[in-house]
Amino acid sequence: SSELTQDPAVSVALGQTVRITCQGDSLRTYYANWYQQKPGQAPVLVIYGQNNRPSGIPDRFSGSGSGNTASLTITGAQAEDEADYYCNSRDNSGTFRVVFGGGTKLTVL
Amino acid sequence: VLLVQSGAEVKKPGASVKVSCKASGYGFTFYHLHWVRQAPGQGLEWMGLIIPRDGSTSYAQRFQGRVTMTSDTSTSTSYMELRSLTSEDTAVYYCARGDYYDSRGYAFDMWGQGTLVIVSS
Repeated sequence: SSELTQDPAVSVALGQTVRITCQGDSLRTYYANWYQQKPGQAPVLVIYGQNNRPSGIPDRFSGSGSGNTASLTITGAQAEDEADYYCNSRDNSGTFRVVFGGGTKLTVL
Repeated sequence: VLLVQSGAEVKKPGASVKVSCKASGYGFTFYHLHWVRQAPGQGLEWMGLIIPRDGSTSYAQRFQGRVTMTSDTSTSTSYMELRSLTSEDTAVYYCARGDYYDSRGYAFDMWGQGTLVIVSS
């Protein structure tokens, strides 16, 4: 399969913890990555693989995964975390292709 | 380390557009270069990739036959040409660097600033 499924929208109270999930068959073979996109900006990689953060990404961002599901967790969400979040992975169809989830709009209340 | 894309374009239906992406600060031939687009208010859509080292490409099924990705190693620049444009091709087009971090892991660790392409009569 070449689809990744995300909830369209999630909200979290300021300072609380939120989990954003991503499901798809390709995640049984390949790790998921997570990108944050704010309005008018290019996406930024925030988590790659099981739980790796690029330099400069706050440690309140973490990742996990099992089976066909990957999760992005923000522990102690901040106002600046309000954004769209996308998961992606390689597609497991055989050729080198990449697939994105539909994105989750995170609102920090 | 930077990916800098060409400027916005306005095209008529049926025309073609060619967007460039110039890399700097890293070994251009050591990484894959991908193209991703985002229609207004929509999500990210992967279009394809080029391996600058040898010019090999892989395209998403829906763009096969309509897209061509090339690279010029002498200028560290990649190009994406999309033909037979329709209004549905109106989108921001991004280039992104792809890298393996694990035998099961591959991510886009750097993105260009995006190029807006508007298709309108």
